[in-house]
Amino acid sequence: DGGITQSPKYLFRKEGQNVTLSCEQNLNHDAMYWYRQDPGQGLRLIYYSQIVNDFQKGDIAEGYSVSREKKESFPLTVTSAQKNPTAFYLCASSIVGGKTDTQYFGPGTRLTVL
Amino acid sequence: KQEVTQIPAALSVPEGENLVLNCSFTDSAIYNLQWFRQDPGKGLTSLLLIQSSQREQTSGRLNASLDKSSGRSTLYIAASQPGDSATYLCAVTSGSARQLTFGSGTQLTVLP
Repeated sequence: DGGITQSPKYLFRKEGQNVTLSCEQNLNHDAMYWYRQDPGQGLRLIYYSQIVNDFQKGDIAEGYSVSREKKESFPLTVTSAQKNPTAFYLCASSIVGGKTDTQYFGPGTRLTVL
Repeated sequence: KQEVTQIPAALSVPEGENLVLNCSFTDSAIYNLQWFRQDPGKGLTSLLLIQSSQREQTSGRLNASLDKSSGRSTLYIAASQPGDSATYLCAVTSGSARQLTFGSGTQLTVLP
């Protein structure tokens, strides 16, 4: 089955720790995205990548880092510099240069800081 | 900076009713507008995508309209069912990076 997988589904972090959220896709999409969702709010873009070994900051990149070493994978690291990391994190992917900009979303990772 | 607003934030209706969800955006220079569905604790599922040159799209009981010049879109759901209960998110693609900007969503509850 083609799709996007995120792991883990739930993640607990102690203050001061870095944690890495996994995102993998087998849709052969060039572009991948990370969003953060807080209760009662829409999604806000953290980082995006349109090609391997290149990525761009979104609206709320501070305290986060990413890498794109493989087309299929776009891991997100939440660093200790992120002051309020408790949120629902969603990964998405899309075709670049296609007729539509439809993004396909993974099931999400819920991060809680203890 | 593009901003997207959705009204109402929450809506509760009895089963069988027709209903309308509203979305507005501040910058009319968009490539397209999408409506997504999100079930609690889950990812997003794309329902409808309207290109900037289109006026509406239909899928089953769903109909989405777009008035780009006034910065508005509506999602019409006919004959609502309890299975329609979810949060509905509106998003527009705009800017040189073709970035998606989301509204905060409308939480719909359809009562049996």
